Amino acid sequence: ETGVTQSPTHLIKTRGQQVTLRCSSQSGHNTVSWYQQALGQGPQFIFQYYREEENGRGNFPPRFSGLQFPNYSSELNVNALELDDSALYLCATSSTSGTYEQYFGPGTRLTVT
Amino acid sequence: GQQVMQIPQYQHVQEGEDFTTYCNSSTTLSNIQWYKQRPGGHPVFLIQLVKSGEVKKQKRLTFQFGEAKKNSSLHITATQTTDVGTYFCALIQGAQKLVFGQGTRLTINP
Repeated sequence: ETGVTQSPTHLIKTRGQQVTLRCSSQSGHNTVSWYQQALGQGPQFIFQYYREEENGRGNFPPRFSGLQFPNYSSELNVNALELDDSALYLCATSSTSGTYEQYFGPGTRLTVT
Repeated sequence: GQQVMQIPQYQHVQEGEDFTTYCNSSTTLSNIQWYKQRPGGHPVFLIQLVKSGEVKKQKRLTFQFGEAKKNSSLHITATQTTDVGTYFCALIQGAQKLVFGQGTRLTINP
């Protein structure tokens, strides 16, 4: 186990709704990244937070937003859900020292109907 | 941005057979990481390679980084059913952003 937790584990939403996913960081890890993994694909980078500031963003629209809190936990918010947003959402935490090894949480499976 | 391509996309082997997955880039990579994702699970870090021609071993797994740092491979000797899963290579861009390949899904016939 990595020590990274995510909630909820599964979620079903309707198109147009909004969703908030949560991630708690492994102890000592000050950087959190969010990834979207569609079925049968590799994870795609959404964005990264370091010291409560966004520190890089992938090719995702502004309706994907996030927060990082002083305890390094994080939220991913998605507004105006679309069917294509159905995916596994993974958070990964890491330290700014060492090998940049990322520790992934178990993920949140989001289904948009 | 940089991308990595993985081949094959799928591989089915008999238990005990060897398995290799390849990761290729058209540009020079500063580093490559390998992750394993079990069915229904999340990616788990296996290793990071940074040096040209680097070879690292973890029990039955052998990881290589090409001399030109444009390709990498993961070889599993004598597969076991516990090796089932999808193996991803990933490169680090900028501040710890991971760019994943499409992955190679390994299934094993016991």
